[in-house]
Amino acid sequence: SAVISQKPSRDICQRGTSLTIQCQVDSQVTMMFWYRQQPGQSLTLIATANQGSEATYESGFVIDKFPISRPNLTFSTLTVSNMSPEDSSIYLCSVGQRSSYEQYFGPGTRLTVT
Amino acid sequence: GQNIDQPTEMTATEGAIVQINCTYQTSGFNGLFWYQQHAGEAPTFLSYNVLDGLEEKGRFSSFLSRSKGYSYLLLKELQMKDSASYLCAVGSWGKLQFGAGTQVVVTP
Repeated sequence: SAVISQKPSRDICQRGTSLTIQCQVDSQVTMMFWYRQQPGQSLTLIATANQGSEATYESGFVIDKFPISRPNLTFSTLTVSNMSPEDSSIYLCSVGQRSSYEQYFGPGTRLTVT
Repeated sequence: GQNIDQPTEMTATEGAIVQINCTYQTSGFNGLFWYQQHAGEAPTFLSYNVLDGLEEKGRFSSFLSRSKGYSYLLLKELQMKDSASYLCAVGSWGKLQFGAGTQVVVTP
């Protein structure tokens, strides 16, 4: 399985600011995704990070709020823009290969917005 | 839609067996996945089913019946460290939709 790291591991941010979360994988992966897990809830897919092109967003998530970059096959960033307390959540990077059904999650970034 | 239902909580004794059921309604998917999540940690991949039937991985087994929209995760020889939330998910090529999770409490 791939080793996935995320930075920062946690942060406390003020309302109206933005935070960029980084996801680094130790090997090239075909697919990278960003999920959100709100307090006491299950995971919700935000978007698919496409290498070299714009991310594909799920219903309810938009690029202006959650811009995503994926410059290569091992790295992606998710920005949470103009934050509000409702954005307080754990944000997780997930990776997989088209040749396998196995999918793995990074350790997550715990974000608190005050 | 892909409504995914699983029980909220289950309690079992150390050494026993517990079966976590998952039902879903979906228009199509590649696989049915099970993850374990300890409090404050990221989900850990346990198993997946693509075809109907039973997949066994050590103490954990997962079953899928597409015609019935049903899956279960079987945990055998329960250990205290198995106390966690177990998430059922359906998806295609990494795009997973998760159930709310089943909190399993293992007691001595």
